[in-house]
Amino acid sequence: VQLVESGGGSVQPGGSLRLSCAASGFTFNTYWMHWVRQAPGKGLEWVSRIDGDGSSAVYADSVRGRFTISRDNAKNTVYLQMNSLRVDDTAVYYCVNGGRAYSCGNWGKGTLVTIS
Amino acid sequence: QTVVTQEPSFSVSPGGTVTLTCALSSDSVSTTYYPSWYQQTPGQAPRTLIYNTNTRSSGVPDRFSGSILGNKAALTITGAQADDESDYYCLLYMDGGIEIFGGGTKLTVL
Repeated sequence: VQLVESGGGSVQPGGSLRLSCAASGFTFNTYWMHWVRQAPGKGLEWVSRIDGDGSSAVYADSVRGRFTISRDNAKNTVYLQMNSLRVDDTAVYYCVNGGRAYSCGNWGKGTLVTIS
Repeated sequence: QTVVTQEPSFSVSPGGTVTLTCALSSDSVSTTYYPSWYQQTPGQAPRTLIYNTNTRSSGVPDRFSGSILGNKAALTITGAQADDESDYYCLLYMDGGIEIFGGGTKLTVL
């Protein structure tokens, strides 16, 4: 299993970024996919999850209405569109495939998003 | 607002046993929250240890075990080793489908 995030970088408050995660090594369209973030020196924060066919998505309260998760099963890729970014969105963003029983399974190495 | 609480830090001697817990501000933790546990060493991505309360992920040593203790989820490490020194996080699946991580426990082995 490989999960490779991209799209991170530095953006001013109020700006937008789109993260991508290229997946391989498993049957992508049968797995939920998550985004989890970690602010510098802080703990893990679950951000969002999308089901296998992209028909259902759930968001943490802290990002609902600003972030949108989506997926392209033809490209084995999941995305996180982040709008109206705030300083407190600064974090490493991890792409994670869904494990059994609503858990997180395999983790990518993460991509750093800095809002300043 | 629902909060998931873990001990901020814990210490265990090499070879010893330690139990880390995961509590919910609004309810008792039960199997219906599908608690899972993750290990993270500095500078690394997390690793999944336990899912569905007590099932070990592939390759996880059997010195790691999960359970429900009273009204909390628990992660027990039996025979702690030096390389178990890490941050540990629990994750709970909530009504409505959102998921919440605990604040994490920093485990020291000394």
